[in-house]
Amino acid sequence: DVVLAQSPLSLPVTLGQPASISCRSSQSLVHSNGNTYLSWFQQRPGQSPRRLIYEVSNRDSGVPDRFSGSGSGTDFTLKISRVEAEDVGVYYCMQGTHWPPPTFGQGTRLEIK
Amino acid sequence: QVQLVESGGGVVQPGGSLRLSCVASGFSFRNYGMHWVRQAPGKGLEWVAFIQYDGSYEYYVESVKGRFTISRDNSMNTLDLQMNSLRPEDTAVYYCATLCASCHNFDHWGQGTRVTVAS
Repeated sequence: DVVLAQSPLSLPVTLGQPASISCRSSQSLVHSNGNTYLSWFQQRPGQSPRRLIYEVSNRDSGVPDRFSGSGSGTDFTLKISRVEAEDVGVYYCMQGTHWPPPTFGQGTRLEIK
Repeated sequence: QVQLVESGGGVVQPGGSLRLSCVASGFSFRNYGMHWVRQAPGKGLEWVAFIQYDGSYEYYVESVKGRFTISRDNSMNTLDLQMNSLRPEDTAVYYCATLCASCHNFDHWGQGTRVTVAS
């Protein structure tokens, strides 16, 4: 199974400052069709997960443009340009290239300093 | 709008059974593969099972193979998870989700249903 390692696992950020989360895969996430199925999810306290980014860098509809995804191969990053209070929660990367099973990273808890 | 509503969770003793259900609305359920994902208390997300859009094949995480069965009824827009021989480590919130990595602007989760396996 593909292992996704996120860092950091805890991310205290000052409001208005940028934040960055890394996700590293145990193998390349490039599919045989050329696409890379790496997604990012946000889970606010007490809520269900919500996808923010799909295929590395595509924002889902309704996701603020302060969220961006980048990367290739085995290294991926989620960036928040200016953290807002509503961004508090846990962020997960997920790969859908080599499945079953689809696998998630351990999660990164973002909190406001 | 798209809705996924789970039900069926509860408290069960080790070795017992539960059947979870998820009712879908607001999209063409019959056209999408569906997943169950769980989250143990204070832990991360773990994929549990998948069923193809037409029910033609299923996949399971190793730890539930032979104990859990995913099924669907496209005429009723429902997704089920039959859970047998439950273990304490199956304690989690169970979500039904579309979890479609290749679907643009389409990813939906239910609110979750809590399963507690304890004596």
